[in-house]
Amino acid sequence: QKEVEQNSGPLSVPEGAIASLNCTYSDRGSQSFFWYRQYSGKSPELIMSIYSNGDKEDGRFTAQLNKASQYVSLLIRDSQPSDSATYLCAVEYGNKLVFGAGTILRVKS
Amino acid sequence: GAGVSQSPRYKVAKRGQDVALRCDPISGHVSLFWYQQALGQGPEFLTYFQNEAQLDKSGLPSDRFFAERPEGSVSTLKIQRTQQEDSAVYLCASSPQDTNTEAFFGQGTRLTVV
Repeated sequence: QKEVEQNSGPLSVPEGAIASLNCTYSDRGSQSFFWYRQYSGKSPELIMSIYSNGDKEDGRFTAQLNKASQYVSLLIRDSQPSDSATYLCAVEYGNKLVFGAGTILRVKS
Repeated sequence: GAGVSQSPRYKVAKRGQDVALRCDPISGHVSLFWYQQALGQGPEFLTYFQNEAQLDKSGLPSDRFFAERPEGSVSTLKIQRTQQEDSAVYLCASSPQDTNTEAFFGQGTRLTVV
């Protein structure tokens, strides 16, 4: 059983702070990792992908991957109220993405 | 259109009724995926097409679920004899490659079985 675990939250951070979202996965053979943002009632939107150990930065977002620890994280710098959403971690297994249940992020102004 | 289009957006079905959900992927996208998302959960994989070939249907929960993509473009997910546990949002995603890389999701169809 391929598993992806996330803390459901909610994670509350003040506006301008760094939000840190974490994800662990069960299969050491996984090679591709994704973070999706999902607003309430909307579809998931891809915000970051990462394939190799280390950090990958894109604007205010940084994805971090540690394959030895089977751990993926997403940092959001200078958090804004518009970042309030559910963040889904997804791991590619063969032809499919296995998603975590998501972490609810609330950014308070 | 520019994105993945799904119809209908909302469907209410009486228990035992058959339903058909449609997905129009982004033009030219090779891969098409169906996912089921229950309230408060992440999407769960149902099935995968590469062009018209259904390469993986391991996530379909029962033989009441059937998907097709006959011409390698539009796809239909059919659920026969719907049951209350089928109530969920059904998401379609497409990708330009034969992987999940850069998969784009449609808005989904919210199915409610009463």
